[in-house]
Parts: sequence; C-alpha cells; structure tokens
Amino acid sequence: DAMVIQNPRYQVTQFGKPVTLSCSQTLNHNVMYWYQQKSSQAPKLLFHYYDKDFNNEADTPDNFQSRRPNTSFCFLDIRSPGLGDAAMYLCATSRGTGDLYEQYFGPGTRLTVT
Amino acid sequence: LAKTTQPISMDSYEGQEVNITCSHNNIATNDYITWYQQFPSQGPRFIIQGYKTKVTNEVASLFIPADRKSSTLSLPRVSLSDTAVYYCLAKARDRDDKIIFGKGTRLHILP
Repeated sequence: DAMVIQNPRYQVTQFGKPVTLSCSQTLNHNVMYWYQQKSSQAPKLLFHYYDKDFNNEADTPDNFQSRRPNTSFCFLDIRSPGLGDAAMYLCATSRGTGDLYEQYFGPGTRLTVT
Repeated sequence: LAKTTQPISMDSYEGQEVNITCSHNNIATNDYITWYQQFPSQGPRFIIQGYKTKVTNEVASLFIPADRKSSTLSLPRVSLSDTAVYYCLAKARDRDDKIIFGKGTRLHILP
C-alpha cells in the first residue's frame, strides 16, 4: 500500500546533540510537511516543501532545518535539541496545498531529549 | 484561514450517535470545512470535507447550515475504537493555504 513512512518511531537524543528524523513516501506527492506535536496539543506546522520549494513557518526556530533530496524523502534536522523539543514529529504529504488535497500523515517519531 | 472553536472534550457511550459541533464565525466564501481524526500515538487522518449542506461517507456525515458559521460532524453508532481527537479546520482552496490545526475535541467512548 502507498504510504508515509517515518523512521525511527522512537528516537532518544542528548541535550545539544544533533538528530535527524526521516520521512519517506510512496504516494509520489508533491508536498511534504513536518509538524511538531507536544503532549495533549494540536500538531504545529514547522515547514513544508512544495517540490523543491521550501516554505518555513514564521515562528519555526532556526534550530529546525529540513532537507528534501528527492520526491520520496524528507528529513528534519534538529541542530541542538533542547528539553523543550521533546515531542512527536509528524510527517505528512499531499498532492498539492489547495483544499482539494487532503494530507496523509505518517505514524510519527517520538523524540526524547535527555 | 478561519479560526475554529470546538468543545475541548466529549464523552459518549458505545452504540450512540455522536455529534461534534465546530464554530467558524469568520469563515470566508472560499473556505471548505475539513475534519481530521487522530488516535493516540498516530498521525491525523482525513475523515470528511464539505462546503455546504450535507456530506456523507462511510465514516461520518458532515452537516453545514446555510450561513456556514458552524458545522457538525456526526459519527453514527460509535464504538470504543472511535475514541480519538477530532479536529475541525476551515481552509481555502488556495495554493498557499496550509492546514493549521486548532485544539480539537477529545472524544472518549465509554462501554
């Protein structure tokens, strides 16, 4: 089945130690998103790629970066994780960004910072 | 992107019909209403989308009155597995209009 895959499902990193989360998709969608979701809160959009066009949300900290080397893969890099960055990180895809295009979410990666 | 307001939480019993209402008083002419469902430790999942009147699919129905200032998600005969957070969004069919999630409604189904 076509899907959005996130690896690993659980990631533990140390305070200040760079970490990379991975997302891949078999849907061949143009758009890939990264969301941060903290406990009992709604997902918060960090940024998205429309093809190779990167779109950062205004309030996304510089500590968060992203790469999309090809259509299928997208990475979230946290350069210096702090305790406040512990959260579930969700990757999503859609064919476009208009309302016609629903988003398909991966299962998420739960990041713990020690 | 219209701001939406939903109840923070709701409880219901298995076999009941559950209606979750969302207010979107400043909805724009080109905004559509979309609902997502999120189970614990999973990503959100699209449920249903509509513009006006009534939309029904295999999962739910969506009722939107003529003034479109609110909408109601209806889940028929819920089961324990419908326990989840339900997000209501009103977003436009524009290229740059992204999905921004509100607080959602935490639905708890009791046996």
